[in-house]
Amino acid sequence: QQQVKQSPQSLIVQKGGISIINCAYENTAFDYFPWYQQFPGKGPALLIAIRPDVSEKKEGRFTISFNKSAKQFSLHIMDSQPGDSATYFCAAREGDAGGTSYGKLTFGQGTILTVHP
Amino acid sequence: DVKVTQSSRYLVKRTGEKVFLECVQDMDHENMFWYRQDPGLGLRLIYFSYDVKMKEKGDIPEGYSVSREKKERFSLILESASTNQTSMYLCASSLLAGPNYGYTFGSGTRLTVV
Repeated sequence: QQQVKQSPQSLIVQKGGISIINCAYENTAFDYFPWYQQFPGKGPALLIAIRPDVSEKKEGRFTISFNKSAKQFSLHIMDSQPGDSATYFCAAREGDAGGTSYGKLTFGQGTILTVHP
Repeated sequence: DVKVTQSSRYLVKRTGEKVFLECVQDMDHENMFWYRQDPGLGLRLIYFSYDVKMKEKGDIPEGYSVSREKKERFSLILESASTNQTSMYLCASSLLAGPNYGYTFGSGTRLTVV
Protein backbone atom coordinates (compact mmCIF):
# COMPACT_ATOMS: atom_id res chain seq x y z
CA GLN A 1 0.00 0.00 0.00
CA GLN A 2 1.12 3.55 -0.73
CA GLN A 3 1.18 5.39 2.56
CA VAL A 4 2.34 8.69 1.06
CA LYS A 5 0.68 9.89 -2.13
CA GLN A 6 2.37 12.62 -4.15
CA SER A 7 1.05 14.76 -6.97
CA PRO A 8 1.50 15.82 -9.67
CA GLN A 9 3.78 13.26 -11.31
CA SER A 10 5.27 15.99 -13.50
CA LEU A 11 5.14 19.76 -13.47
CA ILE A 12 6.22 22.42 -15.94
CA VAL A 13 6.65 25.99 -14.72
CA GLN A 14 7.97 29.16 -16.30
CA LYS A 15 10.97 30.90 -14.78
CA GLY A 16 9.83 33.14 -11.95
CA GLY A 17 6.65 31.18 -11.33
CA ILE A 18 5.56 29.23 -8.27
CA SER A 19 5.94 25.45 -8.22
CA ILE A 20 3.61 23.53 -5.90
CA ILE A 21 3.89 19.84 -5.11
CA ASN A 22 1.40 18.13 -2.84
CA CYS A 23 1.55 15.07 -0.60
CA ALA A 24 -1.05 13.27 1.49
CA TYR A 25 -0.58 10.61 4.11
CA GLU A 26 -2.74 8.27 6.14
CA ASN A 27 -0.58 7.09 9.01
CA THR A 28 -1.09 9.40 11.99
CA ALA A 29 2.06 7.96 13.58
CA PHE A 30 4.22 9.88 11.11
CA ASP A 31 6.19 12.55 12.98
CA TYR A 32 8.70 13.99 10.52
CA PHE A 33 8.16 15.10 6.93
CA PRO A 34 11.20 15.81 4.75
CA TRP A 35 11.46 16.77 1.10
CA TYR A 36 14.28 15.50 -1.07
CA GLN A 37 15.62 16.92 -4.33
CA GLN A 38 17.28 14.71 -6.91
CA PHE A 39 19.26 15.86 -9.94
CA PRO A 40 19.97 13.47 -12.83
CA GLY A 41 22.77 11.07 -12.03
CA LYS A 42 22.72 11.94 -8.33
CA GLY A 43 21.12 10.50 -5.25
CA PRO A 44 18.33 12.44 -3.53
CA ALA A 45 19.47 15.16 -1.12
CA LEU A 46 17.57 16.56 1.84
CA LEU A 47 16.03 19.91 0.88
CA ILE A 48 13.80 20.94 3.78
CA ALA A 49 11.84 19.19 6.53
CA ILE A 50 9.02 19.90 8.95
CA ARG A 51 7.56 18.41 12.12
CA PRO A 52 3.78 18.32 12.67
CA ASP A 53 3.82 20.83 15.52
CA VAL A 54 4.29 23.71 13.05
CA SER A 55 2.17 24.66 10.05
CA GLU A 56 4.84 26.23 7.89
CA LYS A 57 8.59 26.24 7.45
CA LYS A 58 10.48 28.47 5.07
CA GLU A 59 14.07 28.25 3.88
CA GLY A 60 14.92 30.74 1.19
CA ARG A 61 12.64 30.18 -1.80
CA PHE A 62 11.39 26.84 -0.44
CA THR A 63 8.41 26.58 1.90
CA ILE A 64 6.65 23.57 3.39
CA SER A 65 3.00 24.03 4.34
CA PHE A 66 1.59 21.43 6.71
CA ASN A 67 -2.06 20.69 7.46
CA LYS A 68 -2.23 18.14 10.24
CA SER A 69 -6.01 17.81 10.30
CA ALA A 70 -6.15 17.13 6.57
CA LYS A 71 -3.01 14.94 6.69
CA GLN A 72 -1.52 16.88 3.83
CA PHE A 73 1.69 18.79 3.24
CA SER A 74 3.07 20.64 0.28
CA LEU A 75 6.26 22.15 -1.09
CA HIS A 76 6.17 25.61 -2.61
CA ILE A 77 9.09 26.88 -4.68
CA MET A 78 8.86 30.63 -5.13
CA ASP A 79 10.52 32.40 -8.07
CA SER A 80 11.29 29.05 -9.68
CA GLN A 81 14.57 28.89 -11.60
CA PRO A 82 15.83 26.55 -14.34
CA GLY A 83 18.35 25.24 -11.80
CA ASP A 84 15.41 23.97 -9.72
CA SER A 85 14.59 21.46 -12.46
CA ALA A 86 14.87 18.11 -10.69
CA THR A 87 12.82 15.30 -9.24
CA TYR A 88 11.28 16.04 -5.86
CA PHE A 89 10.21 13.45 -3.31
CA CYS A 90 8.16 13.96 -0.20
CA ALA A 91 8.63 11.51 2.63
CA ALA A 92 7.34 10.69 6.09
CA ARG A 93 8.89 8.98 9.08
CA GLU A 94 6.98 6.92 11.59
CA GLY A 95 7.53 7.92 15.19
CA ASP A 96 9.41 5.33 17.19
CA ALA A 97 7.11 4.98 20.19
CA GLY A 98 7.00 1.24 19.69
CA GLY A 99 10.72 0.99 19.10
CA THR A 100 10.35 -0.77 15.79
CA SER A 101 10.37 1.87 13.07
CA TYR A 102 14.11 2.62 13.29
CA GLY A 103 13.49 5.93 11.59
CA LYS A 104 12.81 4.54 8.16
CA LEU A 105 11.21 6.88 5.66
CA THR A 106 8.27 6.20 3.37
CA PHE A 107 8.55 8.14 0.13
CA GLY A 108 6.02 9.53 -2.30
CA GLN A 109 6.08 8.66 -5.99
CA GLY A 110 8.13 11.69 -7.00
CA THR A 111 7.48 14.79 -9.11
CA ILE A 112 9.60 15.72 -12.10
CA LEU A 113 9.82 19.52 -12.14
CA THR A 114 10.87 21.35 -15.29
CA VAL A 115 11.39 25.10 -15.12
CA HIS A 116 11.52 26.75 -18.53
CA PRO A 117 13.73 29.84 -18.96
CA ASP B 1 30.30 16.02 4.76
CA VAL B 2 28.83 12.57 5.12
CA LYS B 3 29.65 10.43 2.17
CA VAL B 4 27.82 7.34 1.02
CA THR B 5 29.65 5.52 -1.73
CA GLN B 6 28.12 2.89 -3.97
CA SER B 7 30.70 0.71 -5.65
CA SER B 8 29.26 0.77 -9.18
CA ARG B 9 27.36 3.41 -11.14
CA TYR B 10 26.26 1.02 -13.89
CA LEU B 11 26.00 -2.76 -13.96
CA VAL B 12 24.79 -5.16 -16.62
CA LYS B 13 24.13 -8.71 -15.48
CA ARG B 14 22.59 -11.81 -17.00
CA THR B 15 19.40 -13.47 -15.79
CA GLY B 16 20.15 -15.97 -13.05
CA GLU B 17 23.44 -14.40 -11.96
CA LYS B 18 24.12 -13.62 -8.32
CA VAL B 19 24.65 -9.88 -8.01
CA PHE B 20 26.32 -7.95 -5.21
CA LEU B 21 25.77 -4.21 -4.71
CA GLU B 22 28.09 -2.61 -2.20
CA CYS B 23 27.59 0.52 -0.11
CA VAL B 24 30.00 2.21 2.30
CA GLN B 25 29.37 5.22 4.57
CA ASP B 26 32.03 7.18 6.43
CA MET B 27 30.14 8.92 9.26
CA ASP B 28 29.48 6.15 11.75
CA HIS B 29 25.73 6.11 11.07
CA GLU B 30 23.74 3.39 12.76
CA ASN B 31 21.09 3.02 10.05
CA MET B 32 21.64 1.90 6.51
CA PHE B 33 18.99 1.35 3.84
CA TRP B 34 18.56 -0.05 0.37
CA TYR B 35 15.86 1.41 -1.88
CA ARG B 36 15.01 0.86 -5.49
CA GLN B 37 13.79 3.72 -7.63
CA ASP B 38 11.41 3.18 -10.52
CA PRO B 39 9.56 5.84 -12.54
CA GLY B 40 6.12 6.55 -11.12
CA LEU B 41 6.74 4.36 -8.09
CA GLY B 42 9.12 6.56 -6.15
CA LEU B 43 11.57 5.02 -3.74
CA ARG B 44 10.64 1.64 -2.29
CA LEU B 45 12.44 0.16 0.69
CA ILE B 46 14.01 -3.24 0.13
CA TYR B 47 15.89 -3.83 3.39
CA PHE B 48 17.39 -1.81 6.17
CA SER B 49 19.81 -2.35 9.02
CA TYR B 50 20.02 -0.53 12.34
CA ASP B 51 23.15 -2.25 13.62
CA VAL B 52 25.90 -4.65 12.59
CA LYS B 53 24.49 -8.05 11.68
CA MET B 54 20.92 -6.76 12.18
CA LYS B 55 18.54 -6.51 9.26
CA GLU B 56 14.86 -5.84 8.72
CA LYS B 57 12.71 -6.41 5.66
CA GLY B 58 11.29 -3.40 3.94
CA ASP B 59 8.31 -3.26 1.62
CA ILE B 60 9.73 -5.31 -1.29
CA PRO B 61 12.31 -7.81 0.03
CA GLU B 62 11.44 -10.69 -2.27
CA GLY B 63 14.39 -11.79 -4.38
CA TYR B 64 16.89 -9.83 -2.30
CA SER B 65 19.05 -10.38 0.75
CA VAL B 66 21.48 -8.15 2.63
CA SER B 67 24.63 -8.37 4.68
CA ARG B 68 26.07 -6.01 7.27
CA GLU B 69 29.26 -7.41 8.77
CA LYS B 70 30.77 -4.00 9.55
CA LYS B 71 29.05 -0.80 10.63
CA GLU B 72 30.18 1.16 7.58
CA ARG B 73 29.27 -1.40 4.93
CA PHE B 74 25.88 -2.66 3.76
CA SER B 75 25.58 -5.05 0.85
CA LEU B 76 22.53 -5.87 -1.24
CA ILE B 77 22.46 -9.30 -2.84
CA LEU B 78 20.28 -10.41 -5.72
CA GLU B 79 20.31 -14.18 -5.30
CA SER B 80 19.26 -14.92 -8.88
CA ALA B 81 18.85 -11.80 -10.96
CA SER B 82 15.70 -11.41 -13.02
CA THR B 83 14.70 -8.84 -15.62
CA ASN B 84 12.13 -7.30 -13.27
CA GLN B 85 15.00 -6.32 -11.00
CA THR B 86 16.30 -3.90 -13.61
CA SER B 87 16.20 -0.63 -11.71
CA MET B 88 18.12 2.16 -10.00
CA TYR B 89 19.31 1.05 -6.57
CA LEU B 90 19.98 3.66 -3.91
CA CYS B 91 21.79 3.17 -0.64
CA ALA B 92 21.29 5.58 2.26
CA SER B 93 22.51 6.01 5.80
CA SER B 94 21.28 7.99 8.79
CA LEU B 95 21.62 8.50 12.48
CA LEU B 96 19.20 6.47 14.56
CA ALA B 97 17.45 9.60 15.84
CA GLY B 98 18.02 13.25 16.68
CA PRO B 99 16.86 16.73 15.71
CA ASN B 100 18.82 16.76 12.48
CA TYR B 101 17.67 13.39 11.35
CA GLY B 102 17.87 12.79 7.65
CA TYR B 103 19.10 10.33 5.10
CA THR B 104 22.30 10.72 3.11
CA PHE B 105 22.04 8.90 -0.19
CA GLY B 106 24.67 7.50 -2.48
CA SER B 107 24.62 8.34 -6.18
CA GLY B 108 22.92 5.09 -7.08
CA THR B 109 23.67 1.98 -9.10
CA ARG B 110 21.73 1.51 -12.31
CA LEU B 111 21.37 -2.23 -12.76
CA THR B 112 20.26 -3.78 -16.02
CA VAL B 113 19.45 -7.49 -16.08
CA VAL B 114 19.42 -9.00 -19.57
